[in-house]
Parts: sequence; C-alpha cells; structure tokens
Amino acid sequence: QQPVQSPQAVILREGEDAVINCSSSKALYSVHWYRQKHGEAPVFLMILLKGGEQKGHDKISASFNEKKQQSSLYLTASQLSYSGTYFCGTEKVTNRDDKIIFGKGTRLHILP
Amino acid sequence: ETGVTQSPTHLIKTRGQQVTLRCSSQSGHNTVSWYQQALGQGPQFIFQYYREEENGRGNFPPRFSGLQFPNYSSELNVNALELDDSALYLCASSLEPSGGYEQYFGPGTRLTVT
Repeated sequence: QQPVQSPQAVILREGEDAVINCSSSKALYSVHWYRQKHGEAPVFLMILLKGGEQKGHDKISASFNEKKQQSSLYLTASQLSYSGTYFCGTEKVTNRDDKIIFGKGTRLHILP
Repeated sequence: ETGVTQSPTHLIKTRGQQVTLRCSSQSGHNTVSWYQQALGQGPQFIFQYYREEENGRGNFPPRFSGLQFPNYSSELNVNALELDDSALYLCASSLEPSGGYEQYFGPGTRLTVT
C-alpha cells in the first residue's frame, strides 16, 4: 500500500511557495519526509506522529491529518537549494512492525 | 553527513552472478534497513535487521539475503543476479526499528547487471 504523492512534479521560481501532498489508504502511525538530490542519498527532513501535529524548521513545515490519512509538506519562500525529489514514507498504525513504505516522489525544480 | 557509509560505490555484474553490498551504520544504531531504488522511483523496502536478527521483509525473493554484525555493519547479498536487479541500493540506520524513529541513509551502491 504505497502512499500516493501529488503533484508528481512542480517547477517554481525562487521565493514562491509549494505544497506537496501524501495520502494513504491505511490508517497511519507516522509520516516521514525526505529530500533526495540527484545522485545523492535521501536526507531526513521530519517525522510526524499521529496526533495531528505540525512541525517545521526554517521555511519547511508539515502537517499530518490522521483522520484523512494525509500529510502535506509546505515549502515557503523556496530557495534554489530546495530543488530535488521529495519522498514521503508512511508507517501503518495497525502493526507497528510494518516498515516505512515510500511514495514515488515529487520532483521539485526551483528556477532563479 | 549522516555517518552511514556504503561500499562499493558502483558495481557492474553479469546476470547469474552473486554480489555482496556493505553498509556501516551510525554508531549506536541497532537497526538497519535496506532499500532498492530504481531510477525515478521511491526506495523500496527489502528487509530490516534489528540486533542481528531479521525484523521484517518486503516483497523480495529469498535470493536477497542479509546479515547484521555486532559492530554496526551489515551486508546485503543477492544471488543469481537478474537484469532487473540493476538499481541503487540504499541502507538506512536508525536507533529503533519502528515507532517513528528517523532513518539516516547511506550514499548508496549503484549496481548494474549486464
């Protein structure tokens, strides 16, 4: 049950905002967000645990709506360094031994 | 810099051969997960090891096997290589196997099967 990410790709100009969504058909325990630049390993951004919390650092924040089994990643006033592919990874609530399943990713390209 | 290292960086093998990929986890991390990432796709979970025991497996055949050692290193072994095994193989270490612990990825091994 791979989570579904949208949009698949987005092109922005520096300074614009972006929202990346991640939805699951299963009840979730946690959602993980990673960014991967071309040819590099995925880099951890943040984890959201069930409880509807919102997290953020710098101009990147995320929310988790456990009722809708959805999470959204918000990139505010995007910078060139934000370019890359963003993956959400989900853990199901029914069995905490289930491992993180990643979506197919959202490619973000920031233009100067 | 996550402290997770993998070797080799690149590898070319022939169909039918066997390969061993290595990972050194961040110190103190009892858990290592291995992923296969095809071009343009998200990482796919292969299996996880926790305190040297397999602790979950994804939808991969038995020819994918692993080991975890007490010194925070681990191996991914693939027998009877197939062309579709060509991918980036990532290991990720974490403090605990689940419950919302962040994973730290290594740089990956790019495997090409010809």
